[in-house]
Amino acid sequence: AQSVTQLGSHVSVSEGALVLLRCNYSSSVPPYLFWYVQYPNQGLQLLLKYTSAATLVKGINGFEAEFKKSETSFHLTKPSAHMSDAAEYFCAVMIGGNEKLTFGTGTRLTIIP
Amino acid sequence: DAGITQSPRHKVTETGTPVTLRCHQTENHRYMYWYRQDPGHGLRLIHYSYGVKDTDKGEVSDGYSVSRSKTEDFLLTLESATSSQTSVYFCAIRADRGSSYEQYFGPGTRLTVT
Repeated sequence: AQSVTQLGSHVSVSEGALVLLRCNYSSSVPPYLFWYVQYPNQGLQLLLKYTSAATLVKGINGFEAEFKKSETSFHLTKPSAHMSDAAEYFCAVMIGGNEKLTFGTGTRLTIIP
Repeated sequence: DAGITQSPRHKVTETGTPVTLRCHQTENHRYMYWYRQDPGHGLRLIHYSYGVKDTDKGEVSDGYSVSRSKTEDFLLTLESATSSQTSVYFCAIRADRGSSYEQYFGPGTRLTVT
């Protein structure tokens, strides 16, 4: 079975500070991993994806994530937070060939001016 | 934008009434999904479809049924709505190109059952 855990349901950072959102996965086989962002009253937008190519993945809006098999982690980072980054972020996992995505419970990111 | 629309966008209904939500896509994707989003639970899969008339259950399928008679439309029906089905419902499609498997989401339907 596949599962994903997002540590911290709420994270606050100051504008210009490092953003770090944590995601750990559980999978018996190499997974596909995704980060999505949801702005208020909108659907989910794909930020980035890991599909067994490069372990450091770059996404939109300056975000990146690193796949670490030894730590079963796929943490999302951004060097310098902007006010526009305030949103909810979801990590998701899929085992290759399985049609289903399993989502974490989400992390709400607040940016402090 | 993966050409996904959902209707209605907002609906208020009474307990015990049937409700149908519609998802429409314009790009002939094979896989379509229905999720519900609730605080503290993230997104949970209700049902999905892997082709016309081919559907399967997700983790929270009780009280819901689906139908897909055309590639472009995936309908979610609540046969007899209950207050526990108050939620935001999202439709998604799975990308067919390559082997990325990423999903793209519609704008959502906010359903309130009173």
